[in-house]
Amino acid sequence: QLQLQESGPGLVKPSETLSLTCNVSGGSISSSNYYWGWIRQPPGKGLEWIGSRYYVGSVYYNPSLKSRVTISVDTSKNHLSLSLRSVTAGDTAVYYCVKSIVAGAPFDQWGQGTLVAVSS
Amino acid sequence: QAGLTQPPSVSKGLGQTATLTCTGNSNNVGNQGAAWLQQHRGHPPKLLFYRDNIRPSGISETFSTSRSGNTASLTITGLQPEDEADYYCSAWDSSLSAWVFGGGTKLTVL
Repeated sequence: QLQLQESGPGLVKPSETLSLTCNVSGGSISSSNYYWGWIRQPPGKGLEWIGSRYYVGSVYYNPSLKSRVTISVDTSKNHLSLSLRSVTAGDTAVYYCVKSIVAGAPFDQWGQGTLVAVSS
Repeated sequence: QAGLTQPPSVSKGLGQTATLTCTGNSNNVGNQGAAWLQQHRGHPPKLLFYRDNIRPSGISETFSTSRSGNTASLTITGLQPEDEADYYCSAWDSSLSAWVFGGGTKLTVL
């Protein structure tokens, strides 16, 4: 049973970089059947797609975040990473790691999410 | 980023039927169809449907979907207390090359 688990600092200072990791267990992040991504949800608000990528090649980012975000895959560690630069209070949210099926179900599997607050 | 439009809230009685709507445009809902997700408070979302009407295994048949042009709908019949949740629609926007979400509908079962 494939599982996703996010980890990272719960507090980041304004203007710094938010860095999160999603550990994938019970399956390979290098599978050609899946693609991976991040979605966030500010407290009490709706969902916002951050970006998605295959383990190699194509990467897609939310146009509103594209200049600040990088999503990468480490196949040796079987994990997905998120880097969001120059954060502000508006980046405070629960960040979810998600898996989708190529040519199939989007966001069919979610991690439990991790709350990241941006504050000095 | 252009998002999808959902009513903020819907309230229905126990055992009744609720229909939630999601309006996009010809680049997203009208082109690729919609996905629907359910989120209970304090939990991650769960995928209910994708490509308008494909139901992942384990999703109750009390949930159904339809689409007319750029508006997708999610119908829940025989409402139960556990159906009380936030419901989100999403679609791939071919002009943005991005996934877009609706703002979510809070369904209250009275």
